[in-house]
Amino acid sequence: DGGITQSPKYLFRKEGQNVTLSCEQNLNHDAMYWYRQDPGQGLRLIYYSQIVNDFQKGDIAEGYSVSREKKESFPLTVTSAQKNPTAFYLCASSILGPNTGELFFGEGSRLTVL
Amino acid sequence: AQRVTQPEKLLSVFKGAPVELKCNYSYSGSPELFWYVQYSRQRLQLLLRHISRESIKGFTADLNKGETSFHLKKPFAQEEDSAMYYCALSNSYGQNFVFGPGTRLSVLP
Repeated sequence: DGGITQSPKYLFRKEGQNVTLSCEQNLNHDAMYWYRQDPGQGLRLIYYSQIVNDFQKGDIAEGYSVSREKKESFPLTVTSAQKNPTAFYLCASSILGPNTGELFFGEGSRLTVL
Repeated sequence: AQRVTQPEKLLSVFKGAPVELKCNYSYSGSPELFWYVQYSRQRLQLLLRHISRESIKGFTADLNKGETSFHLKKPFAQEEDSAMYYCALSNSYGQNFVFGPGTRLSVLP
């Protein structure tokens, strides 16, 4: 079954703790993305990666970190430096190239900081 | 700066009525435009893109470069169309996606 898998679906964290959200894809896509979805604000880009071992900051990267050691994996760490981490996080992937643009999304991970 | 705006946070229509979800954008160059939809308890997915010029689930969207708009339309709304709709753009290489804030469509019986 091809697609993007995010885990966990729900996660609770105490203030001051780091937490890592997993994102795996078996679509052989070049690019992977992390978005944060908040009501009324749409999707805001946290980080993206277009190739293994390389990634770029998005619009709201502060307090987050990522790695891209394998093409199929793009984990996101929410650090204690993120001031408002409670949110719904979406991972996506895409092929890169002319007229190929379509993002494929995971089911999301909801993080709640207690 | 690249930006996508969707002026309506919530749009309610009755079943069978026409629906139009507005989307305007600002972009230096020729973007690709998309509509994504998120039904309740389902993942966000592509509804349609302007380069395909196709109708999906009765929805169409026309790119108006003069007005920098990409409004989504359907002549007769159905209850199953109730969802969150996001307008988005990217460059022609499928990079640098920018999403609008979204419009929640509620189709009333």
